[in-house]
Amino acid sequence: SAVISQKPSRDICQRGTSLTIQCQVDSQVTMMFWYRQQPGQSLTLIATANQGSEATYESGFVIDKFPISRPNLTFSTLTVSNMSPEDSSIYLCSVGAGADEQFFGPGTRLTVL
Amino acid sequence: QKEVEQNSGPLSVPEGAIASLNCTYSDRGSQSFFWYRQYSGKSPELIMFIYSNGDKEDGRFTAQLNKASQYVSLLIRDSQPSDSATYLCAPIASGGSYIPTFGRGTSLIVHP
Repeated sequence: SAVISQKPSRDICQRGTSLTIQCQVDSQVTMMFWYRQQPGQSLTLIATANQGSEATYESGFVIDKFPISRPNLTFSTLTVSNMSPEDSSIYLCSVGAGADEQFFGPGTRLTVL
Repeated sequence: QKEVEQNSGPLSVPEGAIASLNCTYSDRGSQSFFWYRQYSGKSPELIMFIYSNGDKEDGRFTAQLNKASQYVSLLIRDSQPSDSATYLCAPIASGGSYIPTFGRGTSLIVHP
């Protein structure tokens, strides 16, 4: 299994600001994913972060709002830009190692005031 | 639109009983299925994976898959209070991308 760390673990931010969340994996992985989990809801995929190419965004999510970097096979960042209270959520990094393995980081709990 | 349906619960069972968690999915091309456990305030933890019709057992957990009925379930035998959590069903989308689609999850409460 992969060990995944995320920074920060939680943050409280002001409306209109941006926050960058970091995800570090202890092994090289091809695919990294960013999810959002709003209170009482299930996980919603934001985008797939591909090393060496642009991230692939799901319907309803755009690069200007959620820019993603993937500089190497063990690291990715997700930025939540121009935040509003509706962005308050848990943001989770995930890695896939094939059809039978999908692991999650501990998550970043974001509160926007 | 791929949909995954789970009864949100809570499902309440006494300690030692069998807990049965159900999931239906709309994507007929789904090839495999994850079950995750998520404790309150924690990230999801993968507990079972199944891709063939029938049953797959791992300790106290049994996953059951019926692709014709588009139905997958998770049985937890000898339920313990530590099993109290939300259980998320996640079919893998067809097309080889290995990206799961998550249901809302079923909240399980095991009471002593």
